[in-house]
This record gives sequence, structure tokens and C-alpha cells, in this order.
Amino acid sequence: EAGVAQSPRYKIIEKRQSVAFWCNPISGHATLYWYQQILGQGPKLLIQFQNNGVVDDSQLPKDRFSAERLKGVDSTLKIQPAKLEDSAVYLCASSSTSGGRYFGPGTRLTVT
Amino acid sequence: GENVEQHPSTLSVQEGDSAVIKCTYSDSASNYFPWYKQELGKRPQLIIDIRSNVGEKKDQRIAVTLNKTAKHFSLHITETQPEDSAVYFCAASIRGTYKYIFGTGTRLKVLA
Repeated sequence: EAGVAQSPRYKIIEKRQSVAFWCNPISGHATLYWYQQILGQGPKLLIQFQNNGVVDDSQLPKDRFSAERLKGVDSTLKIQPAKLEDSAVYLCASSSTSGGRYFGPGTRLTVT
Repeated sequence: GENVEQHPSTLSVQEGDSAVIKCTYSDSASNYFPWYKQELGKRPQLIIDIRSNVGEKKDQRIAVTLNKTAKHFSLHITETQPEDSAVYFCAASIRGTYKYIFGTGTRLKVLA
């Protein structure tokens, strides 16, 4: 079974620039999540999709972060404009209705 | 709000010894408790999970126990090996959602 795919794996940008991350979940998984993991901490949920609808985006900084999952499969997460404190690993995960959550390899973002 | 506490933050054991990591949760309605292993620079990987209708689950050298009355659950690793060295995160589901609250992580070091 193929896992969750993410790209790019690494990204370095300057503050105030924009960046976008892409995620392709495990085939058949209806639920997709974006997490932010700051070094030394556990993953923090940013947004959760069920098919192409948003289930929870309560911790997404909506003034600068946006995410979409237009066809209920792939998803993109965008940051515009980036701040220094956005430096983190952005993890995408997917799950079936009752199953565990499977994480992608993550995108390590460095904002300088 | 909901909270998951995890202890210890770091744990060193000799190869072959057992390791125990403990988590407590605040939401009495939590019903799903996964454990993730995250090696340095890699994605969190689901290693075992338990639902609230059972008290213990075992998979080879790994076991998880759940005490719903006390609202705590533990990960037990027996016959530890150097490749068990990683950061381990517990998580608990939030009432009525698929959302997890992650613990703060335990850095396990198995000394050869």
C-alpha cells in the first residue's frame, strides 16, 4: 500500500514570502489532516478535511494560512505571507473512517 | 480544554530492559488512544492503538494498557533494542470528533 505523499520535502523562504505544500493521501482515505510540528513538540492540527469539506479549522491562522481539497483527494496548504514562527515541519496525514492516522514524510519549512 | 500529559520526557534504558511511557488525559469521553514513534527527521508512525472498550492490547514486544477510571494509558516496550530509540507520542481522541490531542513526547534512548 502506497503511503501519504508530500512535496516538497524541504523549503527555505524569506519572511513575507508565500509558500505552498502539496499532499496526496492514501488511496481511499476520506479524511485528510494538516499538522504543524515545531521542533521538540507534538503535532498540532491545523485543518481536517472529510472528503472535500472542512471538518475542523479552529487552529488554522486564517489570516495567513489557507488550505483546499477541491476534488476530495489531493490537498494544498498555503502560507501567505510567512512569518519566522512558521518555521516547522508540516505533516499531512490521512485516515479511513475508523482507522488510525497515517502521516506523510512532511515538509520542513525554514523561514529566514 | 482537553489535555494529554505524557511522562517522562526522556527515558534511557539498557538494551534488553523494558521501557514504560505513561499518559493521562482529561476528556472522559475520549475513546481512542494511538501511540506514534517518530525517529529523528522522519514521520510519526502509528505503532499501536487501543479503544476504550478494551483494557490491554499487545503486538509482539509492544503493549498498551488503558485505565478508563483513572484516565491514563501506558506504552510498554519489552526487550528493548537500539532501533527502538526514537520520540514516542501518545494521543487521545476528543469527544465527538476525530481530533486528537497529542502528548508532548518521550525521547527514548536504548543504550547498547
